Amino acid sequence: QVQLVQSGAEVKKPGSSVKVSCKASGGTFSTYPISWVRQAPGQGLEFMGGIIPISDTPKYAQKFQGRVTITADESTSTAYMELRGLRSDDTALYYCARRWSANGYDYYFDSWGQGTLVTVSS
Amino acid sequence: SSELTQDPAVSVALGQTVRITCQGDSLRSYYAGWYQQKPGQAPVLVFYGRDNRPSGIPDRFSGSSSGNTASLTITGAQAEDEADYYCNSRDITGNHHVVFGGGTKLTVL
Repeated sequence: QVQLVQSGAEVKKPGSSVKVSCKASGGTFSTYPISWVRQAPGQGLEFMGGIIPISDTPKYAQKFQGRVTITADESTSTAYMELRGLRSDDTALYYCARRWSANGYDYYFDSWGQGTLVTVSS
Repeated sequence: SSELTQDPAVSVALGQTVRITCQGDSLRSYYAGWYQQKPGQAPVLVFYGRDNRPSGIPDRFSGSSSGNTASLTITGAQAEDEADYYCNSRDITGNHHVVFGGGTKLTVL
C-alpha cells in the first residue's frame, strides 16, 4: 500500500511562494502518477495538476498554468508542488494523491497524503 | 475543463437507503470515482468504475452509471456514513486531467 507523507503547515505573505513536499513509500514511485488537489476552507476538491516521475512531464490545470510547478525527485521518492504569486484565496489544504487506474482509461485517487495547510495572510 | 454537478446536501434516516448523484458530460466517456471525506480527514475512495469497491469498504456502498449521471448508493446507512461525498472522473479535455464534483453533505438522521 502506498503511503504519502506531506510537509508541515505554512504561513505565507501575499505575493510570495510556497513549496509543499510529498514523500512516498511503498509501490514503485517512478511509475505512478502523483497529483495535487487543493481544498479551500469549507469548499470542495480542486485538481491542480500532476506528474509521472519517470516521464518528468507535468500537466497543469488551466487555472494554475504559469503559477504552479510540480516536480518529482526519484532519488528520494518525493514530489513537490510550488505555487507562486500567492493570494488570500490560495489559503487551502493542499493534498498530494496517487492517481490510479484499473483499466488505463479511468482515473481515480487511491492514496492521499494527510494534507498541508497553506495560509496566505498579510 | 468539464464540470461535475452534485446536490449540495442530502439526508437519510438511519438504516435507510440513500442515493447521491453526479452529473456531467465527462461521465458519458469515463466512469466516476466516489470519495468519502469526514471532518479533518483526507478523502477516501469508496467506489469506482462500473462496479468496484476498494478493499475494506463495506458492501453497503454501491455505484451505478447511466448516460451523463453516476450514482453512489448507500443501502442501510449507518451513523458513521455521515460525511461529505465527492465524485470525480477523468476530464474529457484529454490532458490527463481530473475533474471533481462540488460535493454532497450527507446527514444521517
